[in-house]
Amino acid sequence: GAGVSQSPSNKVTEKGKDVELRCDPISGHTALYWYRQSLGQGLEFLIYFQGNSAPDKSGLPSDRFSAERTGGSVSTLTIQRTQQEDSAVYLCASSLGNSGNTIYFGEGSWLTVV
Amino acid sequence: TQLLEQSPQFLSIQEGENLTVYCNSSSVFSSLQWYRQEPGEGPVLLVTVVTGGEVKKLKRLTFQFGDARKDSSLHITAAQPGDTGLYLCAGDWEYGNKLVFGAGTILRVKS
Repeated sequence: GAGVSQSPSNKVTEKGKDVELRCDPISGHTALYWYRQSLGQGLEFLIYFQGNSAPDKSGLPSDRFSAERTGGSVSTLTIQRTQQEDSAVYLCASSLGNSGNTIYFGEGSWLTVV
Repeated sequence: TQLLEQSPQFLSIQEGENLTVYCNSSSVFSSLQWYRQEPGEGPVLLVTVVTGGEVKKLKRLTFQFGDARKDSSLHITAAQPGDTGLYLCAGDWEYGNKLVFGAGTILRVKS
């Protein structure tokens, strides 16, 4: 597709359940980023991929959070045993991977844990 | 900890007024970017500044990068209701690895 695609766009889940969020970056973009945004707030960095490897996963808030990227393309962010504080918009972005390259964001996946 | 402080957090002004949003850090940026985000959408890049003292203009928006590359400002002239949105600054300290975002400025322009 022309832009970064994320799914699902909205997800309501019960506390304790696992969720998977998917990101399909722009074709040819080697760098992929996951951010989390609470209502009306700035973006919190979660993890960065260069190709299939994650040189920086310093932002993952706990061991309940994990992410993988396969084939240098699609990435999945998994949250296990969801908690109410996990409720947020999860934004994925991609870029060509070099310094100064523009980063393009998807529209996000809105997660609500009830 | 690399912190990006953005101010003000919220700004409500009348159409036609001017405004300035500030982004400050104690660290030197490799580059700094400004984004605008509307509800239900991801942030969209407005500008990237990389050189100390750089000034870039985008129609009624003027972006400045401090000489020491630790701070930046966004100035909007004659604000319009269409300028309403969340404005985010983001700093890049480690080339290409990640952007660290400020908390954002919610701008509301009333007609």
